[in-house]
Amino acid sequence: QSVLTQPPSVSGAPGQRVTISCTGSSSNIGAGYDVHWYQQLPGTAPKLLIYGNNNRPSGVPDRFSGSKSGTSASLAITGLQAEDEADYYCQSYDSSLSVPVVFGGGTKLTVL
Amino acid sequence: EVQLVESGGGLVQPGGSLRLSCAASGFTFSSYWMHWVRQAPGKGLVWVSRINSDGSSTSYADSVKGRFTISRDNAKNTLYLQMNSLRAEDTAEYYCARDLSSITIFGVWGQGTLVTVSS
Repeated sequence: QSVLTQPPSVSGAPGQRVTISCTGSSSNIGAGYDVHWYQQLPGTAPKLLIYGNNNRPSGVPDRFSGSKSGTSASLAITGLQAEDEADYYCQSYDSSLSVPVVFGGGTKLTVL
Repeated sequence: EVQLVESGGGLVQPGGSLRLSCAASGFTFSSYWMHWVRQAPGKGLVWVSRINSDGSSTSYADSVKGRFTISRDNAKNTLYLQMNSLRAEDTAEYYCARDLSSITIFGVWGQGTLVTVSS
């Protein structure tokens, strides 16, 4: 049971827009802590996709964007491409835990 | 090119020990916090441990506290994870990761090394 809740799977057709939610609580996202997103392509290591809620590292296409509101955050992917098929994880900080680094359970994105 | 390369994984019996290494290159290793994150087969990401830039401060997940020790050698640009009293539930891919800027954002990841604990 992850502290941050993500849907297990989402899907979309090429060219479409999909969103992945990350729901937390008043001790993590709702407390104002930033949310970061990672992409893990099949058989590879994770890669930082979005940091500080809505910032893209150099080299990440602007098709990827993040947002945060209240106790939730979202990752949006526009112009979906086949190579976007991957697992996506959100991550934040939780002040109520002895180990404050928390990840969501991950969302498998399938490009139809 | 910024690069992290893990090594040291393998098959170990329950109760055994293993030391993982992570060789860093392409950046000033001594300036960054470093982390270990693991992923059990088919499961999600779990943070394991963190060490600050000069090695004077460390922290651990409850599940590994007292069994695992993180350390670094800034002269060798290498991060380590000493794992003792290994359990079946420690079976996972272990990734080292460079912090973005001492704020626990995993900015650069290694390719991972697989640890399997089984008799």
